[in-house]
Amino acid sequence: AQKITQTQPGMFVQEKEAVTLDCTYDTSDPSYGLFWYKQPSSGEMIFLIYQGSYDQQNATEGRYSLNFQKARKSANLVISASQLGDSAMYFCAMRGAGSTDSWGKLQFGAGTQVVVTP
Amino acid sequence: DAGITQSPRYKITETGRQVTLMCHQTWSHSYMFWYRQDLGHGLRLIYYSAAADITDKGEVPDGYVVSRSKTENFPLTLESATRSQTSVYFCASRRGVKETQYFGPGTRLLVL
Repeated sequence: AQKITQTQPGMFVQEKEAVTLDCTYDTSDPSYGLFWYKQPSSGEMIFLIYQGSYDQQNATEGRYSLNFQKARKSANLVISASQLGDSAMYFCAMRGAGSTDSWGKLQFGAGTQVVVTP
Repeated sequence: DAGITQSPRYKITETGRQVTLMCHQTWSHSYMFWYRQDLGHGLRLIYYSAAADITDKGEVPDGYVVSRSKTENFPLTLESATRSQTSVYFCASRRGVKETQYFGPGTRLLVL
C-alpha cells in the first residue's frame, strides 16, 4: 500500500527566506508521480509542482523546487524567497501507476501549515 | 476556460436527508474524482470515474453514491446524510502526460 508522510504540522518562516517542507513516501510501484498542492485560507487546491519517479532532474516551477531523493523516498518542496501570499497549507500527494493503480488515484499527506511573517 | 465548477458551494442539511453535490468540467477529461477533506485526515478519495458509466470506490465510499452519464458531469449523492459526512468535498479531473489532478473550488457541507 502507498503512504505519504508529512511530519511538520506547521511552521513559521520570515518573508524573503527559503523554506523546506518535508514529504516522505512509501510505495512498491517502480513508476509513480509526486505532486505538491497549495491550499490558501480561501480553500481552493492549487497545483504547484510535479516530479516523476523516472525524472533525472529535480522539478522546478518558478520559486518552487522539488528536492527529490529517490533512494530515501523523499520529495521535499522548497519555496525560495517566501512571500506573504505563500501562507497556506501545503499537501504532498503521490500517484501510483502500473498494475497496482491504473486509475492514477492520488494519496495525500496530512499537510503542513506555513505562515510567512513580515 | 471555466475548468471545474462545483455546486452548491455551501450546503446545510439535516440528518437523514438526501443531498447531491454537483461537479461539472469543461475540459472533457476522462478521469474524475471526488475527495473529502477533514481536519486531521487530509484529503481522502471517495469515488472515481474513468469515463462515462465507469466508476469505482475509493478509500471512504460508504454512504455515498455516484453516477456519470455524461463525461462532463460527476454528481456525488449522500443517500441519507449523517453528521459524520460534514466535510469539505472536492471534485477533481485529471489531464496531461503528468496526469495532474485539477480541483474544483469545493463544497462545504454541514449536516445537522
